[in-house]
Amino acid sequence: KNQVEQSPQSLIILEGKNCTLQCNYTVSPFSNLRWYKQDTGRGPVSLTIMTFSENTKSNGRYTATLDADTKQSSLHITASQLSDSASYICVVSDLPNNAGNMLTFGGGTRLMVKP
Amino acid sequence: NAGVTQTPKFQVLKTGQSMTLQCAQDMNHEYMSWYRQDPGMGLRLIHYSVGAGITDQGEVPNGYNVSRSTTEDFPLRLLSAAPSQTSVYFCASGQGFYEQYFGPGTRLTVT
Repeated sequence: KNQVEQSPQSLIILEGKNCTLQCNYTVSPFSNLRWYKQDTGRGPVSLTIMTFSENTKSNGRYTATLDADTKQSSLHITASQLSDSASYICVVSDLPNNAGNMLTFGGGTRLMVKP
Repeated sequence: NAGVTQTPKFQVLKTGQSMTLQCAQDMNHEYMSWYRQDPGMGLRLIHYSVGAGITDQGEVPNGYNVSRSTTEDFPLRLLSAAPSQTSVYFCASGQGFYEQYFGPGTRLTVT
């Protein structure tokens, strides 16, 4: 069964500090991996999408890395801000641009940034 | 361009009642889907559609019906609400599943 495991489940950091969130997956075959940010009471918003051939992708202060050999991804947040407080969800797809139940969602990491 | 809209934002139902959660998108996306999100669990796919007139089941379809008569709308119907259906429901749309845009969610409580 395809699985996506995220760690830690929750994290508290001080404003201005960096942090790294982890995502391990067992989805096979692999097509792409996305990171979403979900603010409390809102729907998820896409941060990055990476395919098999990409091993790093940045979106402002967010940098995602992918190691398809070890089936691991990380999301690094630089110089955290209070607005980064949210849940971060890792999603893995096993077929390109496919419909239906080909997405496996991780349980998310809840990040709290304190002043 | 409103993106993906969902109504209502909150709903309380009694066991056995039925209702429809509305979802609409104005981006002319072919793909639309419904997810539920429960505490400590990842989003789980309920039903999805790859175009008007075409729907299919996801991971947890029992107790829910969908239809897609237009590109814009994708309502989710709860046939006979049960406490196990207490959850937050998200609708999403995209040109494909490569990129999905999520709505703001509907928080449903079944007592």
